[in-house]
Amino acid sequence: EPEVTQTPSHQVTQMGQEVILRCVPISNHLYFYWYRQILGQKVEFLVSFYNNEISEKSEIFDDQFSVERPDGSNFTLKIRSTKLEDSAMYFCASKSSWSVTGELFFGEGSRLTVL
Amino acid sequence: QKEVEQDPGPLSVPEGAIVSLNCTYSNSAFQYFMWYRQYSRKGPELLMYTYSSGNKEDGRFTAQVDKSSKYISLFIRDSQPSDSATYLCAMSPGNYKLSFGAGTTVTVRA
Repeated sequence: EPEVTQTPSHQVTQMGQEVILRCVPISNHLYFYWYRQILGQKVEFLVSFYNNEISEKSEIFDDQFSVERPDGSNFTLKIRSTKLEDSAMYFCASKSSWSVTGELFFGEGSRLTVL
Repeated sequence: QKEVEQDPGPLSVPEGAIVSLNCTYSNSAFQYFMWYRQYSRKGPELLMYTYSSGNKEDGRFTAQVDKSSKYISLFIRDSQPSDSATYLCAMSPGNYKLSFGAGTTVTVRA
């Protein structure tokens, strides 16, 4: 069964460092998303990406964050100058063009720990 | 008022019992209602999807949406230990963004 894969599964970084989280969405999907879940809190929307551009972003997704689809398979989230409060599980998700709103396929997440 | 409210539980039931989960919401623009299941250390997995008000049944799972009350429910019949997970409600007005509840942790005891 096709799945969304994310790397790394866990990354520990020092405050102020840059982090890149990588995702390989399901191959025929065209809509890509990043969500995050701070420990003990809700899953929160960060950004959606379609047709090589951001389609929607939350207020969390400020200039510290950026997304990119550098090639035909990868989808990345870059966090510049990480802060302690960026520690969270980051989930990548994808959706096909013919599936309904909300039918997202999530990866297993990348846990980011900022020290 | 929070946009989506969900009792985090935890909820513990014996095997075979009916599990009842629910969420309330405040945004009347929500049209799409989902239930996701999340096992420990895994990403959310779509379980049920409903558009607008009404009921939907899929095997042992029934999802209900009452837009007039801004209330959605998920029922799990004949619960199994493998149903032990965190259940997340999620909603959308139809754009790209999903708004999630806090998740309810369910344990089904054998």
